[in-house]
Amino acid sequence: AQSVTQLDSQVPVFEEAPVELRCNYSSSVSVYLFWYVQYPNQGLQLLLKYLSGSTLVESINGFEAEFNKSQTSFHLRKPSVHISDTAEYFCAVSDPLNRDDKIIFGKGTRLHILP
Amino acid sequence: NAGVTQTPKFRVLKTGQSMTLLCAQDMNHEYMYWYRQDPGMGLRLIHYSVGEGTTAKGEVPDGYNVSRLKKQNFLLGLESAAPSQTSVYFCASSPNLSYEQYFGPGTRLTVT
Repeated sequence: AQSVTQLDSQVPVFEEAPVELRCNYSSSVSVYLFWYVQYPNQGLQLLLKYLSGSTLVESINGFEAEFNKSQTSFHLRKPSVHISDTAEYFCAVSDPLNRDDKIIFGKGTRLHILP
Repeated sequence: NAGVTQTPKFRVLKTGQSMTLLCAQDMNHEYMYWYRQDPGMGLRLIHYSVGEGTTAKGEVPDGYNVSRLKKQNFLLGLESAAPSQTSVYFCASSPNLSYEQYFGPGTRLTVT
């Protein structure tokens, strides 16, 4: 079964500074990868996903993530954060070739934007 | 298109009381899930369903029961609530197991 690790439970960053939230997954022949965002007192929303094709995927609000097969990573980046990016971010992984495999979520990284 | 809805949004129970949380989705998804979210623990899967009339245990099923009598609804029951079940509960649905899940807004449950 897949597993996913988010090494940082909290990441403080100044407004307008760049940020990287790290995500590593256990090796597999095939993977689907996801980043979800949870704003305070809300449910999780899909931010972006990698299913196949280009290894660099982007969201509509300026985040991007790169699928790196050799490093089994899917780190989330944004070149300049805004106060509205304050949220918890969850990385998730699944194995599309295993029909019994559910999406596995990481434990989340809380992004604190400092004024 | 409401997506995934959950009722109620908040609830306070006394130890030993029972209640049912309702999840409804209008996307015709086969798969539905119940999670609980606690500080520092991330999301933990309680039960899930791979189709109408089916249910399966997740990571933390003890103390909970579920039913999926209709494809669009997934009910989570607590027969005898305990303080350890104080949590935020999220329902989700997906078109298949590997694809992205769509989440409801959550139910905040406090057991005193």
